[in-house]
Amino acid sequence: SQTIHQWPATLVQPVGSPLSLECTVEGTSNPNLYWYRQAAGRGLQLLFYSVGIGQISSEVPQNLSASRPQDRQFILSSKKLLLSDSGFYLCAWRTRGQNYGYTFGSGTRLTVV
Amino acid sequence: GDSVTQMEGPVTLSEEAFLTINCTYTATGYPSLFWYVQYPGEGLQLLLKATKADDKGSNKGFEATYRKETTSFHLEKGSVQVSDSAVYFCAPLYNTDKLIFGTGTRLQVFP
Repeated sequence: SQTIHQWPATLVQPVGSPLSLECTVEGTSNPNLYWYRQAAGRGLQLLFYSVGIGQISSEVPQNLSASRPQDRQFILSSKKLLLSDSGFYLCAWRTRGQNYGYTFGSGTRLTVV
Repeated sequence: GDSVTQMEGPVTLSEEAFLTINCTYTATGYPSLFWYVQYPGEGLQLLLKATKADDKGSNKGFEATYRKETTSFHLEKGSVQVSDSAVYFCAPLYNTDKLIFGTGTRLQVFP
């Protein structure tokens, strides 16, 4: 069966520290992968998406970056966190085709202090 | 550009009340339509979907009908429960291969 793993579940980091969030998918190959952020009391903002290894599209300019070193691995990074980076980060994957929606990971709650 | 509009929340209801959460999308192309639910502290789960006009998606007592003439996909449930308290997101999928999420509607159900 297909599953998606996202970790850590919670993270508290000081301003200026680096960040690395990891997401892996099992049971499928060549998925589309997505990173979303949900700020407190707000909707979902698409940050990055990837249609293949090494292919990253950025939706919003920011101090975050993403990488896809393997087919089923998607990493969200930052060299120096800002207070405004706090939020709930969600990884998702989908199978290509109009009938398929996303499957989301359980999310990482990041608090920058 | 492509967008979706959901009714503002929170929606506050008593148990067993009827629920409607409105959702309209821009009529660019012919998107598939999804409703997702987010329970407190969790990620999003697919609730239901519809992929063509007049399709009705249903799950856990929730229903939504793809109305192409009004570009709407309103979520309904005949009798809500306390356990339905969550945030609900409407999301069309256009040919861009990216889901466009609404701002979400928080539902609070009281006993």
